[in-house]
Amino acid sequence: EPEVTQTPSHQVTQMGQEVILRCVPISNHLYFYWYRQILGQKVEFLVSFYNNEISEKSEIFDDQFSVERPDGSNFTLKIRSTKLEDSAMYFCASSADRGRETQYFGPGTRLLVL
Amino acid sequence: RKEVEQDPGPFNVPEGATVAFNCTYSNSASQSFFWYRQDCRKEPKLLMSVYSSGNEDGRFTAQLNRASQYISLLIRDSKLSDSATYLCVVDTGGGNKLTFGTGTQLKVEL
Repeated sequence: EPEVTQTPSHQVTQMGQEVILRCVPISNHLYFYWYRQILGQKVEFLVSFYNNEISEKSEIFDDQFSVERPDGSNFTLKIRSTKLEDSAMYFCASSADRGRETQYFGPGTRLLVL
Repeated sequence: RKEVEQDPGPFNVPEGATVAFNCTYSNSASQSFFWYRQDCRKEPKLLMSVYSSGNEDGRFTAQLNRASQYISLLIRDSKLSDSATYLCVVDTGGGNKLTFGTGTQLKVEL
């Protein structure tokens, strides 16, 4: 069964450093998403991406965040200058279409900012 | 009012029991509704979509009441493997954005 993959599974970084989280969505999917989950809290939407553009973003997704689809397979989330409060699990998701189409989630990258 | 509200639980039930989870949502324009399951420190996985007419998948039944903005999940004959956090999820962005509840924790015991 096709699945979303994410690398790395864990990342530890120093406050102020840049991190890039990588995702490989399911191959025939056209819509891509990033969510985050701070430990003990709910899953929160960050951004959706379609046709090489951001479709929607949340208040969390400020100027420190960016997304990119650098080639036909990868989808990345960059955090320019990490803060302590960026420590969370970051999930990538993809779907074939919008609305009722299921969003399939990757296993996540656990980011720890020290 | 929270966008998606759930009782956090935990619900501790014996194996074989029937358990029901409820959820309310605030955005009346929401069009798509889902139940996801999340195991500890894992990604959310779709359990089932929720349709206006109600739908069933084996031991799981989901109901939607648009007038009351209320979603439910019924699990019959619960198994130990059903132990997880059940996430009520609403599409609040016209297909671009899922909004999650905090989840309801279920523990099925022998």
